[in-house]
Amino acid sequence: AQKVTQAQTEISVVEKEDVTLDCVYETRDTTYYLFWYKQPPSGELVFLIRRNSFDEQNEISGRYSWNFQKSTSSFNFTITASQVVDSAVYFCALSEIRSYNTDKLIFGTGTRLQVFP
Amino acid sequence: KAGVTQTPRYLIKTRGQQVTLSCSPISGHRSVSWYQQTPGQGLQFLFEYFSETQRNKGNFPGRFSGRQFSNSRSEMNVSTLELGDSALYLCASSLGQGGSEAFFGQGTRLTVV
Repeated sequence: AQKVTQAQTEISVVEKEDVTLDCVYETRDTTYYLFWYKQPPSGELVFLIRRNSFDEQNEISGRYSWNFQKSTSSFNFTITASQVVDSAVYFCALSEIRSYNTDKLIFGTGTRLQVFP
Repeated sequence: KAGVTQTPRYLIKTRGQQVTLSCSPISGHRSVSWYQQTPGQGLQFLFEYFSETQRNKGNFPGRFSGRQFSNSRSEMNVSTLELGDSALYLCASSLGQGGSEAFFGQGTRLTVV
């Protein structure tokens, strides 16, 4: 079964704290992609990162970093020195492509991050 | 380059009516996917169109349909609206190569009264 679990419904932090958003996925495919999206109050989903199943290297982009571990089926997202502008709902998503070519995304339930000044 | 454009941004309809939502993808993108977002069900996949053909479909009733035109623009239609169809409908544009990065529009917020 294909599934993405984001167990943290809501996280509140004070500005400059580091915060990690957890994502656990389930898939029977060996070839897949994992994504993180940010949804600010305006509603649009903003693409943050895509990682394929063969690349377990961690990635860092400014204050953002991602830790992909196939052994635990996790793809966690860390924001370092959080800022108020990071307040949003963050979604983890899975795309399976072995069965047929598709860009269909399976989303987790999202984690609402509130960063207080 | 221009992003994904969805129209209209807001809609209020009455139960039993039908509605058509429009999505213009990023130039060069051949895949358009539609998602429904509600507080209770989260983000759910409706369907995906690629080169004017539906190549994937989610678990939604037949009242939900879509199409894609030769210029990759897509429309989705919901007939016989129900209160439960009230949601944010998001369109995603991508290259369609399998696991491609998907870029989303701002969505159409549909309210059924």
